[in-house]
This record gives sequence, structure tokens and C-alpha cells, in this order.
Amino acid sequence: DSGVTQTPKHLITATGQRVTLRCSPRSGDLSVYWYQQSLDQGLQFLIQYYNGEERAKGNILERFSAQQFPDLHSELNLSSLELGDSALYFCASMGARTASHYGYTFGSGTRLTVV
Amino acid sequence: AQKITQTQPGMFVQEKEAVTLDCTYDTSDPSYGLFWYKQPSSGEMIFLIYQGSYDQQNATEGRYSLNFQKARKSANLVISASQLGDSAMYFCAMNSGGSNYKLTFGKGTLLTVNP
Repeated sequence: DSGVTQTPKHLITATGQRVTLRCSPRSGDLSVYWYQQSLDQGLQFLIQYYNGEERAKGNILERFSAQQFPDLHSELNLSSLELGDSALYFCASMGARTASHYGYTFGSGTRLTVV
Repeated sequence: AQKITQTQPGMFVQEKEAVTLDCTYDTSDPSYGLFWYKQPSSGEMIFLIYQGSYDQQNATEGRYSLNFQKARKSANLVISASQLGDSAMYFCAMNSGGSNYKLTFGKGTLLTVNP
């Protein structure tokens, strides 16, 4: 267990639908990063939150949004889903640097399949 | 902008032999970190090794070592005494304060260890 919890692990949904992916960061970590891993685009940074505030935006579509709540968990909302949104979505939290992971802890990912 | 290039889509190695996975990077930030991650078929991201831009010595972690050549902007991963369990996707990544510490990933190298 990495300490970062992502739910659900798998999600199958239809085109046009909306889903919410959830991430609970490692205890004490204030920063949460969302990444999308797809076969054609590789691992792409989507968005970062730090202590509830948006800090950086990457290649995130307008149909996607995220937020970080006061308890530091984060949610990634994907709407009007298209087949191309099928991917593995990772959450990573960043905190104090340790020798085991140098600050980043990845969740096990949510595999989204849009049919 | 930061960029990571991994030019080897796939690599094969015999069990017990050493293998080098290539990674070159580009950044304008003077302070940055370089990471290698392993992603087995199960999908999780496993941290392997870290090298800071100001570290004088090459990083080592067990069978993993990072061949850091700053002037050439390369950070190759060397795996000694390959094991069958090393078969996986390997990603090189970097971060810096100038990028809010988000990780920028290369496209990865698929390593296959043959018995």
C-alpha cells in the first residue's frame, strides 16, 4: 500500500457520460497531481492542487475538471466522455522527501474504459 | 519547457546480464530532479531511483544505478544482473521547482528479460 488511495480501480462507462475519480493523498501530503496514461499520448500531466488551490494546469481538456477538498482528497471529474478518454488515470501526492520515493507517491490508478 | 526523450521503444536482455536504458532530457532550470519508474503489467508506478542535478555522485539503489552525464543531459538507467521480474515498462521523468515540481515523463522503454 503506497498510502495514496484511488477509487474506483476500474470504471466502464458509455460515451457522453460523466464520471468522478477520487484520490486520497498520503497522510500529510498537501500536493496532488493528476496524470493520464494512454497508449497514444503516454503519461500526460493534467492538473496539480496544493492545499486546496489549483497550482498548475497541463494538457487538461475543458470537459475535465478537478478540485481538492479541505480534507485534502481530490476528485477528477470527466464529462461528455469520448472513446479517446479511455486511459489509466493516476493520482500522485507529493510531500516530504524520503529515500523511498523522493517525495512522490503514486496511487494504483483508475482504469477508465469508455464504450 | 521540460522534455524527456527515451529513444528505445523496446529492449531485450538475457537473464543475469546487465542492460542500459537510455534517457536524455532538456530543461532550462538549473535545479532539477531525475527519476526512473518501473511499471509492470499490473499498472502501478514503482519508484526505482532518483538523481538530483547537483548531486556529485551517480545514484545507486541495489541493482539499479543511474549514469548521470550532466553536460550531455543524459540520465541512463543501468540494471545489473537482470531478473525475469524486471520485465516491465520503464519511464524516465524529471521535475523542477520552475514547473511546480510536476513530473514530465518520457514515452517509456519496454524491457523484456529472456530466460
